Amino acid sequence: AQSVAQPEDQVNVAEGNPLTVKCTYSVSGNPYLFWYVQYPNRGLQFLLKYITGDNLVKGSYGFEAEFNKSQTSFHLKKPSALVSDSALYFCAVRDGTDSWGKLQFGAGTQVVVTP
Amino acid sequence: KAGVTQTPRYLIKTRGQQVTLSCSPISGHRSVSWYQQTPGQGLQFLFEYFSETQRNKGNFPGRFSGRQFSNSRSEMNVSTLELGDSALYLCASSYGLESGNTIYFGEGSWLTVV
Repeated sequence: AQSVAQPEDQVNVAEGNPLTVKCTYSVSGNPYLFWYVQYPNRGLQFLLKYITGDNLVKGSYGFEAEFNKSQTSFHLKKPSALVSDSALYFCAVRDGTDSWGKLQFGAGTQVVVTP
Repeated sequence: KAGVTQTPRYLIKTRGQQVTLSCSPISGHRSVSWYQQTPGQGLQFLFEYFSETQRNKGNFPGRFSGRQFSNSRSEMNVSTLELGDSALYLCASSYGLESGNTIYFGEGSWLTVV
């Protein structure tokens, strides 16, 4: 079985400061990891994914994520947060042994960036 | 290239009625999946279709069903609606079935059951 944990319900950060959103996962096979962002009353927007290769993945809007196999983590980061980054962020995992399209999502982390 | 398109965006139904939601995937994408999002349960996988065949199904009652057409467009149906079915229903598409494929989501259909 696969599972994802986002330990923080909300992250508060001042504009210009670094932003980190935490995610840990559990899968039985190789992990395929994704980050999505959701703005109010909108669908999910894809930010980035880890499939294989470099542990540091770069994505859209200046976001990046670091894959750590030993800690089973995939934390999302942004060096300098913007007010417009305020949104709901979801980490998701797909188990490589289950090759179909099912994503297991975390509960989401609300990011609030204050001016 | 157009994204995943879902219709209708908003709808209100009465308990006991049924509803059909439609989804047009990104051009060239052949895999379509559906998710339910609620404040209490978060994002939950409903089912996935590829080449008109259901490939995977989440833990939902039989009142929830779906299908995919030969042009990859998909519909999901919920019969005998309950208040708890009020949710945002998200459709997503990807090119194929490979685990590394990115899944792109539509804007969703907001269903309110009264």
